Amino acid sequence: RKEVEQDPGPFNVPEGATVAFNCTYSNSASQSFFWYRQDCRKEPKLLMSVYSSGNEDGRFTAQLNRASQYISLLIRDSKLSDSATYLCVAHNNAGNMLTFGGGTRLMVKP
Amino acid sequence: DGGITQSPKYLFRKEGQNVTLSCEQNLNHDAMYWYRQDPGQGLRLIYYSQIVNDFQKGDIAEGYSVSREKKESFPLTVTSAQKNPTAFYLCASRLTGGLETQYFGPGTRLLVL
Repeated sequence: RKEVEQDPGPFNVPEGATVAFNCTYSNSASQSFFWYRQDCRKEPKLLMSVYSSGNEDGRFTAQLNRASQYISLLIRDSKLSDSATYLCVAHNNAGNMLTFGGGTRLMVKP
Repeated sequence: DGGITQSPKYLFRKEGQNVTLSCEQNLNHDAMYWYRQDPGQGLRLIYYSQIVNDFQKGDIAEGYSVSREKKESFPLTVTSAQKNPTAFYLCASRLTGGLETQYFGPGTRLLVL
C-alpha cells in the first residue's frame, strides 16, 4: 500500500461545478499536510497547507480527518484555469520527510 | 529575486554519457531534494540532503550521484549506469524543522539522443 494515495482521475467537470478530491495516508505520525497544484510540464506549486482540522482560501477548502487518516480538497465554482493535477503531501516531522501522492487530474470543461 | 533555479531547461544526453543538472537556491534553506517525474506519473525521490556535506539515497538512487559542497547548491549527475534517464527532473528545497513544506525549481527535461 502506498503511503499517500490519491484517485488519479481524471475528474471531468463543467465550469461552475463543485468538485472534491480525497487523499488517504497510512503513516499516523504525519503531522502536517499540503496540497500542490501542477500544470502540465511545470513544477508543482503550493496551493494550501493543512495543519489542524482544515483551511479555506477563497474557492478552495481543505479538510483533515486524523481519525480516518484522510485529507480532502474542495473546489467550488470551478474555472477552466483550475484544470491541473493536484498533489497531496504528508509531512512526517519525526523523519523530517515529505511524501507525495501520485496526484489527481482535474479537467474543467466549458 | 529569491527562489530556486535549475539549468538547463532542456538537456540531451548521448549513450554512455554522464550529464549534470544544476540546482541553486538563495532561500537559505537547509534541505534540498531531487525528484524524477515520468509522464503521467507522480514524483519519485532520487536523493536528498539535509545539511552541507551530507546526503541520503531516496527511492531510486541507482544510476545517479549528487554532491552538497555548498548550502546553496545541489547538483545531480545522471550517469551512464542510468539506462532510462528520459524524464522531468525537479529540484526542491525547504527549511528543516517545524512545519515548512518544499518549494520546487522549474525543472529540467532530460532527453536521450
